[in-house]
Amino acid sequence: DVKVTQSSRYLVKRTGEKVFLECVQDMDHENMFWYRQDPGLGLRLIYFSYDVKMKEKGDIPEGYSVSREKKERFSLILESASTNQTSMYLCASSWTETGYTFGSGTRLTVV
Amino acid sequence: RKEVEQDPGPFNVPEGATVAFNCTYSNSASQSFFWYRQDCRKEPKLLMSVYSSGNEDGRFTAQLNRASQYISLLIRDSKLSDSATYLCVPATDSWGKLQFGAGTQVVVTP
Repeated sequence: DVKVTQSSRYLVKRTGEKVFLECVQDMDHENMFWYRQDPGLGLRLIYFSYDVKMKEKGDIPEGYSVSREKKERFSLILESASTNQTSMYLCASSWTETGYTFGSGTRLTVV
Repeated sequence: RKEVEQDPGPFNVPEGATVAFNCTYSNSASQSFFWYRQDCRKEPKLLMSVYSSGNEDGRFTAQLNRASQYISLLIRDSKLSDSATYLCVPATDSWGKLQFGAGTQVVVTP
C-alpha cells in the first residue's frame, strides 16, 4: 500500500511563528498536494507539485509556501502563523490518472 | 455555481436499509470520478473510482448521468461501519488535480 506520512498529528504554535509541515510518500508518485479542511468548507487546495522543484498555487495560497527538493517529500510552510490558519492540513499524493492517497493529517492550532 | 455540490445531510439510515445520494458537478469535461469516505477526524480514503457509466463494489454502487451532470452513490444493506462523510470528486484536471465536494454525512443507526 502507498503510504503518505505527515510528520505531526497535532501541533500547537504561537502567532507569528514560522511553521513547517512535512509530508513524505513512498511510492514514487509524481503529484503531491496540500489541502486544508475546515468545517462547512470542505477541502481547499493550497499548493500542489507535479515534479521536483516545481510548485503551483492552488485556490488559497496566501500565507503559505511550499518546497519540493526531493520527489518523495513535499513541505508546507506557514511563513508567519496566524489564528485563521488553525485547521486540519492534509497532504496527498497520486499518479496523474488516479485518485489520491492522503496522509493522516496534521491538526494545527495557532494561539 | 459551485463546481461540486452535495447535500450535506445527515442521512439517517436504519441498519440494513438502502441509502442513495447525489452529487452534481458543473464541468461537463469531467471524465473520471471518485467517491471518498471520511470518518470523523480522519483522512479521506478512496472508496470507488468511476471511469464510465458506473461502478459496483459489493454493497456500493455508483452511477453516472453525464447528461444531467450528476453522480450518485447507493449503499445497500447499510452497516453501522458505513457511518461516515462521503466526498464526491470529479477529475477535471488533466494533471490530476481534484476538486472535492464538501461531502454528504451518513449516519447508520441500530
